[in-house]
Amino acid sequence: EAQVTQNPRYLITVTGKKLTVTCSQNMNHEYMSWYRQDPGLGLRQIYYSMNVEVTDKGDVPEGYKVSRKEKRNFPLILESPSPNQTSLYFCASSHQGRDNSPLHFGNGTRLTVT
Amino acid sequence: AQKITQTQPGMFVQEKEAVTLDCTYDTSDQSYGLFWYKQPSSGEMIFLIYQGSYDEQNATEGRYSLNFQKARKSANLVISASQLGDSAMYFCAMREGPGGGADGLTFGKGTHLIIQP
Repeated sequence: EAQVTQNPRYLITVTGKKLTVTCSQNMNHEYMSWYRQDPGLGLRQIYYSMNVEVTDKGDVPEGYKVSRKEKRNFPLILESPSPNQTSLYFCASSHQGRDNSPLHFGNGTRLTVT
Repeated sequence: AQKITQTQPGMFVQEKEAVTLDCTYDTSDQSYGLFWYKQPSSGEMIFLIYQGSYDEQNATEGRYSLNFQKARKSANLVISASQLGDSAMYFCAMREGPGGGADGLTFGKGTHLIIQP
């Protein structure tokens, strides 16, 4: 089944404790991206990657890191989480270079930082 | 300025009625794509429908259709014969530029649709 898999679904952590949210897709998509969703703000892009070893900042990159060592994986790293990073996070992927290719989303990771 | 504007934070609609969810967009690109997503209370993001800026006909997918008015820069989602399961958040999104663009999709803030029996 074609899908984007995020783990974990729920995560509660404390301020300053490094964490990684994993994301993997099995559709051979070139493009991958991370979004955060907050009430009243919609979805905002954190980082994106157009291919292996190519990453770039989105609208709200502060406090986050990403890597794209393999085409299928795009982990999101919070080196020192803070309470304002409490949010619902989505990983997404699509084909690059195809205007009508929708973003396929993972099921989301609900992160709480205390 | 917001690139995607959804002016209806919430809507209540009777079951079996048709629903129109508004979306206006702002871009100077000639080539762009417009998308609608549904987010039920379980949280996942479900792709519904796509409209390309050069498409001459309005997109349709089952009970979903997109009322695309290019000159007005609007891309309203129409749901015919609404069902209780249509209750969800709905997001309008845009991809600018040819070839997919580097910035993924820009999303509106969403409309919370509640279908009443």
